[in-house]
Amino acid sequence: ELKVEQNPLFLSMQEGKNYTIYCNYSTTSDRLYWYRQDPGKSLESLFVLLSNGAVKQEGRLMASLDTKARLSTLHITAAVHDLSATYFCAVPNTGNQFYFGTGTSLTVIP
Amino acid sequence: DVKVTQSSRYLVKRTGEKVFLECVQDMDHENMFWYRQDPGLGLRLIYFSYDVKMKEKGDIPEGYSVSREKKERFSLILESASTNQTSMYLCASSFVAYNEQFFGPGTRLTVL
Repeated sequence: ELKVEQNPLFLSMQEGKNYTIYCNYSTTSDRLYWYRQDPGKSLESLFVLLSNGAVKQEGRLMASLDTKARLSTLHITAAVHDLSATYFCAVPNTGNQFYFGTGTSLTVIP
Repeated sequence: DVKVTQSSRYLVKRTGEKVFLECVQDMDHENMFWYRQDPGLGLRLIYFSYDVKMKEKGDIPEGYSVSREKKERFSLILESASTNQTSMYLCASSFVAYNEQFFGPGTRLTVL
């Protein structure tokens, strides 16, 4: 079974600081997805990374994918309160299934 | 924009009741999925469907069944609800295998 590990699980950071969330997965995949979930809400797609070396940026968030290392990172630059949410990475495997990480709960403190 | 809708946002049922959760997508997607989300356990796949009348078990199918009679609609059925099925249920759809999944708003089910 494919395993997807995220760390940290909980992240409390001050506004204006930078930080990185890591997503490791256990088997070969050439693509990875990042989602955001606000409290009580559903998942919203953030980034689609489709190849080794892919980098995507949206505002203060930047995601990258290293398929050889089986690692994706989600980097937060100069955090603001609006980024407080839970972030999930997801990896597809054969058989049409996605495997999700356990999520990183981010709280940005003023 | 892709739209995935779920029949209820909140649902309260009693142990032993039969429960239907419905999901509808409007983008002609081939694949549809049902997940449950529990604190500390993340999202776990219950069932998915890659075509009308086709279904595949996910990681936790026990106690659930599904129905897909039309391409746009995927139903999750709890034949006899139990308290351990209290959870957030999320439906998702995607165009083809391995593509980005789009999620509905979720149904928070409480079984008393």
